Amino acid sequence: GQQLNQSPQSMFIQEGEDVSMNCTSSSIFNTWLWYKQEPGEGPVLLIALYKAGELTSNGRLTAQFGITRKDSFLNISASIPSDVGIYFCAGQARSYNTDKLIFGTGTRLQVFP
Amino acid sequence: GAGVSQSPRYKVAKRGQDVALRCDPISGHVSLFWYQQALGQGPEFLTYFQNEAQLDKSGLPSDRFFAERPEGSVSTLKIQRTQQEDSAVYLCASSPVAGGTHNEQFFGPGTRLTVL
Repeated sequence: GQQLNQSPQSMFIQEGEDVSMNCTSSSIFNTWLWYKQEPGEGPVLLIALYKAGELTSNGRLTAQFGITRKDSFLNISASIPSDVGIYFCAGQARSYNTDKLIFGTGTRLQVFP
Repeated sequence: GAGVSQSPRYKVAKRGQDVALRCDPISGHVSLFWYQQALGQGPEFLTYFQNEAQLDKSGLPSDRFFAERPEGSVSTLKIQRTQQEDSAVYLCASSPVAGGTHNEQFFGPGTRLTVL
């Protein structure tokens, strides 16, 4: 099935560092979402973006909806150990009969104290 | 409960057995989705319900997969004659509205299916 290109695939950083990850698509999306998933759990919504060019923050997280509507970026500032997990982007291209999400391949984040 | 719940959390089946996975969405949520997540991958869409109507089943991998939501609340995903390639985590998500904006999907914890 279709999955979006997400990079980097994994990151190993020191506590306090900033993190950047991005997601690209060959298709245009109306909505971009960023989720975090921890082992044994479902994805948890972090940020939702609805307009091209939109920049939205949620605490130490900031995400942007690309102007072309084919990409999105997530930044985490001053990382802490509880940021560990897998981050997924997801795009939604609403059509008349579905609101399905297309997910990225994931970025695995490891934070060392 | 406040969130999406799924049961069972873990299921082990012998190849060829039928399985049924249950999803209880957030109360009042109109839309319900099923996704399949293989190990090390992102979730992949299976099927979508708006109330009791199954509007999109384009992601179901074969006719062995069947989903229903007869009263527009609880949903069941059934897999007949399970195969080893069906081993995955099956995630359910619900959202409060259908279409429009601000219809974010909220996920349950998933059911991990292992087919031996």
